[in-house]
Amino acid sequence: GENVEQHPSTLSVQEGDSAVIKCTYSDSASNYFPWYKQELGKGPQLIIDIRSNVGEKKDQRIAVTLNKTAKHFSLHITETQPEDSAVYFCAASRRRRERGYNKLIFGAGTRLAVHP
Amino acid sequence: NAGVTQTPKFRVLKTGQSMTLLCAQDMNHEYMYWYRQDPGMGLRLIHYSVGEGTTAKGEVPDGYNVSRLKKQNFLLGLESAAPSQTSVYFCASSLRAEQFFGPGTRLTVL
Repeated sequence: GENVEQHPSTLSVQEGDSAVIKCTYSDSASNYFPWYKQELGKGPQLIIDIRSNVGEKKDQRIAVTLNKTAKHFSLHITETQPEDSAVYFCAASRRRRERGYNKLIFGAGTRLAVHP
Repeated sequence: NAGVTQTPKFRVLKTGQSMTLLCAQDMNHEYMYWYRQDPGMGLRLIHYSVGEGTTAKGEVPDGYNVSRLKKQNFLLGLESAAPSQTSVYFCASSLRAEQFFGPGTRLTVL
């Protein structure tokens, strides 16, 4: 069945360092890859997403890369700050039309701790 | 706009009891979803709805039922709660690709 593996499960960095979280998906037809950030006691919130026709996307300090051949995608956070501490989830889905339902398959999550 | 709201925030049930979790969204989204979140397992889709009056099964539907009588509301029911249903439940809604999540309901079944 469809599966998304996420590594590492925990990540500890010093403030100002970079953090990288990696995901691998199994369904070769997946074409939409969002990343969610979940702060303690809250629901997940979308921080960035990428579609399969793009190899890389940046938004200020965060970036996502996609390697369709290897079925890998990664989240990169530069110049980390204590407020980046949270659980991050990757997900993959196969979008069938521009407007439509997405069945997201989530990774298990990465707990990121940024130490001052 | 309140976005996606969930009630209650916390609940403790005894095995065999029933309850209903309510999700409401004020964004006029067509699609709504119920997930459960367990440690080390990410979020798993229980049921979803592509519009008012329609529902469908997700990855882990057993033991749950849902209803979408109004576009803005999506109800998740547990008819006979089991300890295995102890989890944090999240509702989400979407119009296009991005799913918007509620704050969650922490359910404990003793």
